[in-house]
Amino acid sequence: DARVTQTPRHKVTEMGQEVTMRCQPILGHNTVFWYRQTMMQGLELLAYFRNRAPLDDSGMPKDRFSAEMPDATLATLKIQPSEPRDSAVYFCASGLGTSGGAAETQYFGPGTRLLVL
Amino acid sequence: AQSVTQLGSHVSVSEGALVLLRCNYSSSVPPYLFWYVQYPNQGLQLLLKYTSAATLVKGINGFEAEFKKSETSFHLTKPSAHMSDAAEYFCAVSGPNTGGFKTIFGAGTRLFVKA
Repeated sequence: DARVTQTPRHKVTEMGQEVTMRCQPILGHNTVFWYRQTMMQGLELLAYFRNRAPLDDSGMPKDRFSAEMPDATLATLKIQPSEPRDSAVYFCASGLGTSGGAAETQYFGPGTRLLVL
Repeated sequence: AQSVTQLGSHVSVSEGALVLLRCNYSSSVPPYLFWYVQYPNQGLQLLLKYTSAATLVKGINGFEAEFKKSETSFHLTKPSAHMSDAAEYFCAVSGPNTGGFKTIFGAGTRLFVKA
């Protein structure tokens, strides 16, 4: 049963520290999404990649957030420096997109629950 | 730009009663529409999706949704609620006007099921 995996599942850190979240998409999927979920803002798209190339990161605070895909099996989301307002659940999702832009089903990981003190 | 509105942030039903979760979309072109479910402490998972084939779409766990272009709606229904259906449900839209491969999610509706 193929699944998206995310590590760590939980992270507690202090303000100013660097946080790195990792995601392993489902093998063969070519699109990876990063979302942030909070009670106040709901589900927000931060960035997404297709074939490892960043397509859109307009939802991400550029001064402190960065997202990369070093290879097809790993996506990372970094926050440096972290702030209390970054506390949220961060989800990675992967999908198999087509060149025509048809919307694919997204398969979500279990999320990383981040608390910045 | 496309968007989706879910009517009601909370819905409460009795076990065995009809479940109806409302979703309206705005789009100038035929969209792709989705319903996802999120159980506590889990990621979202797909319930069903509409991709311009049949307007009545059947999904997992007995859920179905009907695409009504005239009403720009894609409401989710289930004839008989079960305690295990308690979760948060998200309607989502995607298509040419959402910026390529983006999916726009609604704010979510939390479903409570009373015994």
